Amino acid sequence: NAGVMQNPRHLVRRRGQEARLRCSPMKGHSHVYWYRQLPEEGLKFMVYLQKENIIDESGMPKERFSAEFPKEGPSILRIQQVVRGDSAAYFCASSPPGTDNQPQHFGDGTRLSIL
Amino acid sequence: GDSVTQMEGPVTLSEEAFLTINCTYTATGYPSLFWYVQYPGEGLQLLLKATKADDKGSNKGFEATYRKETTSFHLEKGSVQVSDSAVYFCATGRHNAGGTSYGKLTFGQGTILTVHP
Repeated sequence: NAGVMQNPRHLVRRRGQEARLRCSPMKGHSHVYWYRQLPEEGLKFMVYLQKENIIDESGMPKERFSAEFPKEGPSILRIQQVVRGDSAAYFCASSPPGTDNQPQHFGDGTRLSIL
Repeated sequence: GDSVTQMEGPVTLSEEAFLTINCTYTATGYPSLFWYVQYPGEGLQLLLKATKADDKGSNKGFEATYRKETTSFHLEKGSVQVSDSAVYFCATGRHNAGGTSYGKLTFGQGTILTVHP
């Protein structure tokens, strides 16, 4: 029973490049959440998606960041033209549909380093 | 929006000592409350939760009680082990409009716990 799978675990990019982070939710989960953890800080919510829909993107930076969760395949968090300040750990979480009081299950994260 | 404040760390204890990590929150209404634990290089794991006032969440010897009057959810364990060394996060969560998920969680800044033999 695989958990939330994120890849890559570590990603290095140079300033100005694009970063793509992937998240496969747990089997049967159709809700996906992305969080960012800056060094020495807690997790900050970025975006909440269901299949083919963005439900809440109130935590997403207005520029360069986008997220999708297509009908088939993993959820993708995309960061264009990365800058040093994007260096962080990015965590994905998932939860099942239509069930009350279900907590979110987290992946092991992608550590993004910008050179 | 919600906010969560945790006891600043790091917290260093000897094995078998008593642990308390304080957590207070500000929120409108009645959010659900969670404690998550993060081991080095890993993601967060749910430790325990409480969904309404006076509920007590418990797991692996850890406990926390939802105190509405003091807006607190302090984490306690009677006898810590070296294997409990990790970062602990307190969080609030709310159901979305359809009541089908918590939507976003709001986390505290985390408390590093180190337990020595």
